[in-house]
Amino acid sequence: GAGVSQSPRYKVAKRGQDVALRCDPISGHVSLFWYQQALGQGPEFLTYFQNEAQLDKSGLPSDRFFAERPEGSVSTLKIQRTQQEDSAVYLCASGSNTEAFFGQGTRLTVV
Amino acid sequence: QQQVKQSPQSLIVQKGGISIINCAYENTAFDYFPWYQQFPGKGPALLIAIRPDVSEKKEGRFTISFNKSAKQFSLHIMDSQPGDSATYFCAAVNFNKFYFGSGTKLNVKP
Repeated sequence: GAGVSQSPRYKVAKRGQDVALRCDPISGHVSLFWYQQALGQGPEFLTYFQNEAQLDKSGLPSDRFFAERPEGSVSTLKIQRTQQEDSAVYLCASGSNTEAFFGQGTRLTVV
Repeated sequence: QQQVKQSPQSLIVQKGGISIINCAYENTAFDYFPWYQQFPGKGPALLIAIRPDVSEKKEGRFTISFNKSAKQFSLHIMDSQPGDSATYFCAAVNFNKFYFGSGTKLNVKP
C-alpha cells in the first residue's frame, strides 16, 4: 500500500480483556514507531523498532504493554488486561531517521 | 517532564490572516524539528521540517522560523485558509525518538 495501515480502526474492549493492534508500515521502511495519543494531546512515544530489533521501549507505560515486529515488517502492539486509562488512539509510524509517516491510528475504548 | 512546550493551545484567525504557533525545547541534542498537521480521525501528516543549522525554511504559505540560541521555533501560516483548520503539532527529534508538543487547534474563520 501507499501508506501506513493500521487495524482495526476502532476497538472496544471490556476492562481486563487483552487486545492486539496491528501496523503495516510502508514497504521498505526500516524504522517503526508506536505512539499513544490521548484526547486533545500530542502523541506520546511508546516504542521504536529498527527492522525486527526493538531498540527503545522506554515509553511503554507498564508491563501490560508489549510490542513485536518479528520479521521486520508488520508490527503488533498488545495490551494485556486492559484498563480504562488505556483508552486512547494508538498511532503507528514508519520512516527514516528523521521523517515519520503516520497511520490513521486505532482508537481503543476500554469500558 | 514535557520535552517540547507548544503554544497557544487554540487559535482563531480570520481568512487571509497569519497564523503563528510557537514551540520551545530544552534538550540541545535535538537535531530535527518537524511540524505535523492533523485532521480529525486522521494520523498526523508531515507539513514542513527544519534542521538547527538553518534559521528559516519556507514552503509555499508555510514558514518555520528557528532560533537556536533561544531554543525556540515557530510555524507561520500566511494567507490562512479555512482548509488549514486542523490541529498542529511541533516535534523535536533525537536518536529517532520524536517528542511532540501538546498541539494547537487552529480555526480559520471564513
